[in-house]
Amino acid sequence: AQSVTQPDIHITVSEGASLELRCNYSYGATPYLFWYVQSPGQGLQLLLKYFSGDTLVQGIKGFEAEFKRSQSSFNLRKPSVHWSDAAEYFCAVGPNTGGFKTIFGAGTRLFVKA
Amino acid sequence: EPEVTQTPSHQVTQMGQEVILRCVPISNHLYFYWYRQILGQKVEFLVSFYNNEISEKSEIFDDQFSVERPDGSNFTLKIRSTKLEDSAMYFCASRSGPGRYSDTQYFGPGTRLTVL
Repeated sequence: AQSVTQPDIHITVSEGASLELRCNYSYGATPYLFWYVQSPGQGLQLLLKYFSGDTLVQGIKGFEAEFKRSQSSFNLRKPSVHWSDAAEYFCAVGPNTGGFKTIFGAGTRLFVKA
Repeated sequence: EPEVTQTPSHQVTQMGQEVILRCVPISNHLYFYWYRQILGQKVEFLVSFYNNEISEKSEIFDDQFSVERPDGSNFTLKIRSTKLEDSAMYFCASRSGPGRYSDTQYFGPGTRLTVL
C-alpha cells in the first residue's frame, strides 16, 4: 500500500541555520513526490515536486529536495531558515495511474527560534 | 495565476444537518478532488472525480457524502447528516489532465466545517 512517513513530528531550528525535513515513502512504482507547506489556518502551498529526471529539485522560497530511490526518501532542505518559514510541512506521494490521488504524510511542524 | 476557490471559508452547523461545500476548480482542469484535515492531523483523501463520475473514493467517503459538478464551473461536496467527527478543514483540489506533467494538484484555501 502507498504510504508516506515523516519521522519528525516537530523540529526547532535557529534562524539562519540549515534545515532538513525527512520523508520516506512506500510505493510500488516510480512515484510522483511533493512537498507542501501549510501556515496556521491556511491552505496548502506547493513548494516543489518531483516527477522524473534530475533527482535534485528546486522549489520556491529557497527550498530544494533530493529524491533517493535506493532509500525511498525525498528529504526537503533549505540552507538558511527564515523566521517566516515556521509552518507545517507535508510530504506527499501521487501515483501515476488511476485517480491520481495524493497521499500525505503526517506532517512536520517547523519552529524557528531567533 | 489561476487558483482554486472555495466557499464558504467557515461553516458552522448543527449535528444532523446537511451541508454543501462549494469549490470552483481551475477552468479547463479535468480532475477534481476533496480532501479533509481533522485539526492537528494529516490531510486525508476523500474522493476523486473525473468525467462526471467518481473515479476513486476512500473508506471515509461513505453514503453520507456525495459530490456533484452541477454546472461547468462548480464542484460540490455534500454531507447529508453531519456528525461531530465531520468537523475538519475540507480542501478541494483540481488537476489539468492525465499527462505526466499535469500531475500537480492545485489546492483551494479550504473550508473549515464545525459541527456542534
